Amino acid sequence: GAGVSQSPSNKVTEKGKDVELRCDPISGHTALYWYRQSLGQGLEFLIYFQGNSAPDKSGLPSDRFSAERTGGSVSTLTIQRTQQEDSAVYLCASSLARGMSYEQYFGPGTRLTVT
Amino acid sequence: KNEVEQSPQNLTAQEGEFITINCSYSVGISALHWLQQHPGGGIVSLFMLSSGKKKHGRLIATINIQEKHSSLHITASHPRDSAVYICADPTNTDKLIFGTGTRLQVFP
Repeated sequence: GAGVSQSPSNKVTEKGKDVELRCDPISGHTALYWYRQSLGQGLEFLIYFQGNSAPDKSGLPSDRFSAERTGGSVSTLTIQRTQQEDSAVYLCASSLARGMSYEQYFGPGTRLTVT
Repeated sequence: KNEVEQSPQNLTAQEGEFITINCSYSVGISALHWLQQHPGGGIVSLFMLSSGKKKHGRLIATINIQEKHSSLHITASHPRDSAVYICADPTNTDKLIFGTGTRLQVFP
C-alpha cells in the first residue's frame, strides 16, 4: 500500500524566500509528525498533529516556522524568510494514533537548501 | 546534553560478525524505538519495544526498562546492513527524542 509521501523531494531556495513543504500521510493515520535533520546532525522533533487536537508546536525553532494540517490528512510545513541554517532534510512521519505504542512510518524527506 | 545516548558512534565489521549497538535514555518510561537510516536517507522503523526482546530476521532488540537501556543486535552481519541505526525515546508525550545514531559499515 502507499506509504508516507513528501514533496518536493528537493528544494533549493534563496535566502529570504518562503517555502512550503508537503506531507501526505498514510490513509487513516491520525497522528502526523514533522522532524528535521540538519547536515551532520541528528534528527530533531518539530511539530506533531493528532486528530483535531491542537498541534504540539514545542519543537519549532522560531516563529518563521509554521505548519497546518487540513482535513486531518495532508500537512504543509511553511518556512518564512528562509535562512541558511534552515538547510536540512525535513521528514514527515505518520502513525495510526497518538501514543508510545504506535509505530511511526517515515516519508522520504524533502532536502531543503537555502543559498 | 542529549538525553538519548548511543554507542558506539561508528562501527565497522566484517561480513558475518555479530554486532551490538547500545542505547541509554533518560525520559521515557515504557518504550523505545529503533530506526534504520540508509545511505540514501530513507528511515525505516525497525522495532518499537516496551519490554524484553523482539526479533525480526537477523535483528534482535532488547530493552531493560528499569535501567533505561536497550541494545540492538545484528547476527551474521551483511554489507546491506550498512546504515545508520538510531534509537529514539518517545518520552511521555509521543515526541521522539533521537540518539545521534551509530554508523555501521559492514565489509565483505
